[in-house]
Amino acid sequence: KNEVEQSPQNLTAQEGEFITINCSYSVGISALHWLQQHPGGGIVSLFMLSSGKKKHGRLIATINIQEKHSSLHITASHPRDSAVYICAVSLYSGGGADGLTFGKGTHLIIQP
Amino acid sequence: EPEVTQTPSHQVTQMGQEVILRCVPISNHLYFYWYRQILGQKVEFLVSFYNNEISEKSEIFDDQFSVERPDGSNFTLKIRSTKLEDSAMYFCASSEQGLENTEAFFGQGTRLTVV
Repeated sequence: KNEVEQSPQNLTAQEGEFITINCSYSVGISALHWLQQHPGGGIVSLFMLSSGKKKHGRLIATINIQEKHSSLHITASHPRDSAVYICAVSLYSGGGADGLTFGKGTHLIIQP
Repeated sequence: EPEVTQTPSHQVTQMGQEVILRCVPISNHLYFYWYRQILGQKVEFLVSFYNNEISEKSEIFDDQFSVERPDGSNFTLKIRSTKLEDSAMYFCASSEQGLENTEAFFGQGTRLTVV
């Protein structure tokens, strides 16, 4: 069974700060997903990565497969970045459809 | 931009009643999923569906649950006899390939309240 742990659980920061959210998992995975959940409940995919680093706008995601660890960074944070950020992992499915195992999420608040 | 749509957005039902939650995945996607999120808890995997059959299911997905793809566009989750503990937000998702290769696209969710 794969456990996904995120830290911190809650994070409050000032606008403009550099934000880091961490995710670690317990067994080998095929891919790691970073998701964003807004107060209304909807979930949006931010990144899917299996190695290295990806960047999209002010968001950067990195993964270290050997250490079973990933980080999500937000540069120049803005109040609209306030949301719950969720790490989820996918196991290799051998061609079928494998569901994601989710972390509990990091509740981020960016104050103006 | 293509999106996953779920209906209804909110459903209230009495304990013991059957409910059907509906989803229209993105049209060229081949993989479909249901997840649930009990209020204040993490999102949990229920079931995945590929090639017209269940690919994987979790311990939560017991005999009270079933999924169907009745036509080329809809993907439904049926709960046969609802319990109070089934109250949750249910998310449908779809993906073009398996999640080891591609991102998942989620619907806005159906909030199910069992009274």
